[in-house]
Formats: sequence, structure tokens, C-alpha cells
Amino acid sequence: DAMVIQNPRYQVTQFGKPVTLSCSQTLNHNVMYWYQQKSSQAPKLLFHYYDKDFNNEADTPDNFQSRRPNTSFCFLDIRSPGLGDAAMYLCATSRGGGTYEQYFGPGTRLTVT
Amino acid sequence: DQQVKQNSPSLSVQEGRISILNCDYTNSMFDYFLWYKKYPAEGPTFLISISSIKDKNEDGRFTVFLNKSAKHLSLHIVPSQPGDSAVYFCAASEGSNYQLIWGAGTKLIIKP
Repeated sequence: DAMVIQNPRYQVTQFGKPVTLSCSQTLNHNVMYWYQQKSSQAPKLLFHYYDKDFNNEADTPDNFQSRRPNTSFCFLDIRSPGLGDAAMYLCATSRGGGTYEQYFGPGTRLTVT
Repeated sequence: DQQVKQNSPSLSVQEGRISILNCDYTNSMFDYFLWYKKYPAEGPTFLISISSIKDKNEDGRFTVFLNKSAKHLSLHIVPSQPGDSAVYFCAASEGSNYQLIWGAGTKLIIKP
């Protein structure tokens, strides 16, 4: 089945210790997104890639970086996690913008100790 | 300023009855609307969408209605089933914009 896969499902890191979350897709979609979701709030878009073109949301902290080495994989790097970065991180893909639906992975729950 | 609003944080419905989830928006430039369903500890799952050129879209038990003049859309689930218990998010997009603007979500509880 075509899908969006996120690893790990649960990640614990220490305050200030860099962490990388990964996402892969078998849908062959052009666009990949990273969202942050806290408790039961709406997902907050951090950035997206259209192919290799990177687009950062204006209010995404510099602490968050991303890499997309190829169509299938995308990584979220948190350089110095703070307690406020504890959240669910969701990866999504779509064929394009606008009327194309976004398909989400199961998410990675990040805990910062 | 919230451009997409879901004013009911939660809704409780008897199994077998109709569930109606509501969503209001303020940006008249939105031209595509989506509903997502989210179970705890999982990512949102796409349910159904509607373009602004339509006023209704149906998919099985799910129907979305769009009232552009009122800037209001609703999701109807008939009949409601226990597996429908989840948080439902309304989202909107404008043109070819990649960003979805999300509502805060409504928690639907289906009572047996």
C-alpha cells in the first residue's frame, strides 16, 4: 500500500541535544510537509518542499531545519530542542498545492527531558 | 486572527443518528475545503473535500455542504458509527497555495 512512514513513532531527547526525525513516502508525491501539533490543537505548518524547492513558514523558529535528499525522504532536524518543542511532528505529502489533498504519516511524538 | 473556525470543541451523538459538524471561515478567497479525521496518536486522515464551485459533495456516509454566502460548511455523517469517534478538522486553501488553514477541531463522541 502506498503510504507515508515516519520513524521513530516516539522519540525522547534531552534539552539542547540535537534530534532528527525522518519521513518517507511511497506515493511519489512532489510536495512534502512538516507540521507541529501540540495537544489537540490544529497542526501548524513548519515548512514544505516542492521537489527540492524549500519553503519556510515565516514564524518557524531557526532551531528547526529540514532536508530532502530525494523524492522519497524528508528529515526534520531540531538543533537544540527546548521543552516547548515537545509535540507531535507530522509529515505529509501531496501531488501539488491548492486542490490536492495532503496525506499524513502517523506522526512522531517528541518528548524533551 | 482565525480564518477557519470550528466553534464546537466537542459533540456527542447517539449511534445511528446524524452527526453534523460545522465550520465557518472569514477569507472569501478560499476556494477549496477539506475535512480530516484524527484518532489519538495518529496523523490526520483525509475524509472528503469540496471545491467552491460546488455546494455539496457526497462520499458514502459523509456529505459536505458549502454555503459560500454564509462562509459556512458542514460535514454530515449518516448514520453515525462508534468508529466515527475522533477529532474532526476543517481546513481551507486558496488558489494554488500549499498552506492549509486549519480549524481548531471538533471532538465527536458517538454514544452506543
